[in-house]
Amino acid sequence: KQEVTQIPAALSVPEGENLVLNCSFTDSAIYNLQWFRQDPGKGLTSLLLIQSSQREQTSGRLNASLDKSSGRSTLYIAASQPGDSATYLCAVRGLGNTGKLIFGQGTTLQVKP
Amino acid sequence: EPEVTQTPSHQVTQMGQEVILRCVPISNHLYFYWYRQILGQKVEFLVSFYNNEISEKSEIFDDQFSVERPDGSNFTLKIRSTKLEDSAMYFCAGDLTRSGANVLTFGAGSRLTVL
Repeated sequence: KQEVTQIPAALSVPEGENLVLNCSFTDSAIYNLQWFRQDPGKGLTSLLLIQSSQREQTSGRLNASLDKSSGRSTLYIAASQPGDSATYLCAVRGLGNTGKLIFGQGTTLQVKP
Repeated sequence: EPEVTQTPSHQVTQMGQEVILRCVPISNHLYFYWYRQILGQKVEFLVSFYNNEISEKSEIFDDQFSVERPDGSNFTLKIRSTKLEDSAMYFCAGDLTRSGANVLTFGAGSRLTVL
């Protein structure tokens, strides 16, 4: 059974720092991995989608990497801003005819001005 | 940019009452999902729906739950007799394909509080 774990659970950094959020998954047989942002009491906003054949994806100050064989993904945020404060979730989609995502518990990020 | 719209944003109900949560997916999406997030816990898959039938469901999705897309636009989640433990944020999501080549798009969620 696929398990997704994110560390750290919470992170507080001063504005301007570069930071890395970690995601690990137990079953490397995935179709893709998606990173989401969730603001308090709000929905999920997709940030980056990495297919299993890809190593990384970039969008602005965000870079996500995927090492499928070791069951790891990282989300790198460059030059963090207070507006980046949110919970970041990673989710994996398994192989086969399924659209189901398995989520990690998230990393809650606070960027202090 | 197209959005997935969910109503109501918040519903408070008494235990044992029926609740219907509604979702209007993006118009060209074909696959639809319900997820839930109990406060402080992970987002959990409930059910996927395609071509007017359930294609996959989790162990959470028992006989108290049902989904339908009655008019080709709205996608609903019904909880027949709510329990305290059904209190959660419920998210609707949609996708163009099942393959995962595209981003799964989520709605803003419906918060259900069962008293």
